[in-house]
Parts: sequence; C-alpha cells; structure tokens
Amino acid sequence: EAGVAQSPRYKIIEKRQSVAFWCNPISGHATLYWYQQILGQGPKLLIQFQNNGVVDDSQLPKDRFSAERLKGVDSTLKIQPAKLEDSAVYLCASSLEGGAFTEAFFGQGTRLTVV
Amino acid sequence: AQSVSQHNHHVILSEAASLELGCNYSYGGTVNLFWYVQYPGQHLQLLLKYFSGDPLVKGIKGFEAEFIKSKFSFNLRKPSVQWSDTAEYFCAVSLSSGTYKYIFGTGTRLKVLA
Repeated sequence: EAGVAQSPRYKIIEKRQSVAFWCNPISGHATLYWYQQILGQGPKLLIQFQNNGVVDDSQLPKDRFSAERLKGVDSTLKIQPAKLEDSAVYLCASSLEGGAFTEAFFGQGTRLTVV
Repeated sequence: AQSVSQHNHHVILSEAASLELGCNYSYGGTVNLFWYVQYPGQHLQLLLKYFSGDPLVKGIKGFEAEFIKSKFSFNLRKPSVQWSDTAEYFCAVSLSSGTYKYIFGTGTRLKVLA
C-alpha cells in the first residue's frame, strides 16, 4: 500500500515570500490532516478535512495560511507571506475516516526554513 | 483546554535496560490513546493504540502501554530496549467528541547506547 506522499521534502525561502506544500493521501482515505511541527515540540493540528470539506481549522493562522483539498483527494497548504516563526516541519496525514477509532498515517513531511 | 504531557524530553539508556515513558492527558471525557514513533529520517508510525477493553495494550516491536483512567495516564513500556529503538516517541490523544482531532505531546527523544 502506498503511503502518504508529500512534496517538496525541503524548502528554504526568505521571509515575506510565499510557499506551497502538496500532499497526496492514501487512496480511499476520506480524512486529511495538516500538522505543523516546530523543533522540540509535538505536531500541532492546523487543519482537518473530511473529503473536501473543512472539519477543523481552529489553529490555522488564517491571515497567512490557507489550505484546500480539491475533489477530496490531494491537498495544498500555502503560506503567504512567510514569517521566521513559520520554520517547521509540515506533516500531512490521512485516515479512512475522521472518527474516534481511526489511525492516522503520516507522510515524511516538508521541512521549511524561513530566513 | 485539552493537552498531552510527556515529562521525559530526553532519555538515554543502555541496551537491555527497561524503558518507561510517561504520558498524561487532561480531558474528562472518553479518549482514544496512541503512541507514535519517529525513527531518524522517517515518518511517524503507529506503535500501539487504545480504544477500549483491556487497559494493557501490546504493540509492535515488544512495546506495550497501560491506560490508567484514574491517573489520566498512558505510559509506554518495553522490558529490554535495543539500539534500534533509538527514536522520538510521541503520545497522542483523540477525543471522542467534536472533530476527533489528534492532540500530540511534545515527544521524548530516546537514545539507546550499544
């Protein structure tokens, strides 16, 4: 079974530039998550999709972050403009459904460095 | 607000030593509990999970965890660690209400000396 695919693996940008990350979940997984993992911290949920609808985006900094999941499959996460504190690993995960008894599968992440 | 605490940030053990990593959560309702592991250069992988039933759950690679509801804890254990267990370990909680989002602890970095 193919896993969760993310690209790029690494990205270095200057502050105030924009950046986009892409995620392809496991085939058939209805729920997709984006997490931000800052060095020394655990992953923090940014946004959760169920098919192509947003279920939770309470911790997404909406003034600069946006995400979409077209056709309920692939997803992109964008930051515009980036700040130094956005330097982190951005993890995408997917699960069969978003219920309580569901295991999430993670991609390898995109490491973003903002200079 | 719901939170997950992992009190050991860095642990260093010799091979064959026993391991116990602490995890406590703050939420009064029903929870589902997970331990994830991240080996160097790899993605997060599920070690074990607890949904209901026997509070002692066994996972892959000889790991186990015990859910103690009265203590809001879900500690991870392994009787004898190996060098290959060197990794970062994350405890996570999924709340059985609302949107079932995963809340992660800050992680424990384990180094096993050969």
